[in-house]
Amino acid sequence: DIQMTQSPSSLSASVGDRVTITCRASQSIRTFLSWYQQKPGKAPKLLIYAASSLQSGVPSRFSGSGSGTDFILTISSLQPEDFATYYCQQSSSTVWTFGQGTKVEVK
Amino acid sequence: QLQLQESGPGLVKPSETLSLTCTVSGGSISSSNYYWGWIRQSPGKGLEWIGCMYYSGSTYYNPSLQSRVTISLVTSKNQFSLKLSSVTAADTAVYYCARGSDWNSAFDSWGQGTLVTVSS
Repeated sequence: DIQMTQSPSSLSASVGDRVTITCRASQSIRTFLSWYQQKPGKAPKLLIYAASSLQSGVPSRFSGSGSGTDFILTISSLQPEDFATYYCQQSSSTVWTFGQGTKVEVK
Repeated sequence: QLQLQESGPGLVKPSETLSLTCTVSGGSISSSNYYWGWIRQSPGKGLEWIGCMYYSGSTYYNPSLQSRVTISLVTSKNQFSLKLSSVTAADTAVYYCARGSDWNSAFDSWGQGTLVTVSS
């Protein structure tokens, strides 16, 4: 199976900060990489698909980049509603896997 | 607007079979280019992909669960289901149903999730 490793596991940031989260695949997944945001008690929400495509309705402060094994989710200017846990997920093979998550907390 | 809603018992005894249903509204489960999946999240933990069923009928499962899991479509009711046999306390989790699309290879619509506890 393809393993997905996110870093960091958690981070502290302030409103207005630029935040970057990294996701690394154990083998090349081309651009079959998605990012989700999850708030406590809620279902995950798709932010980015195909590594860099913004899902409809998602604010443009969210962006994704990367291909192959290394990917980045960037929040250009953190807003109060962005404090949440973020997951990457690969769909390159017939067995999909998620990263372990990155919790973005208030500094 | 597509909506998904999980339903099923919130408590299952060890060694029994967990059965959940996802009811889809606002769209047809028989539409081509979509697939229907289950994801779970143990308390305080991350997301675990359980498996998917494609509109073509193909199914793909997490290898760690493959021997115990079955996903199927009930097209007449616009529903799909999850069955997980021989459950243990480790299967206690919030179970989500979700829809994915061929064109984005991601889960773009999710149910709200349902907590299933395995306990005697």
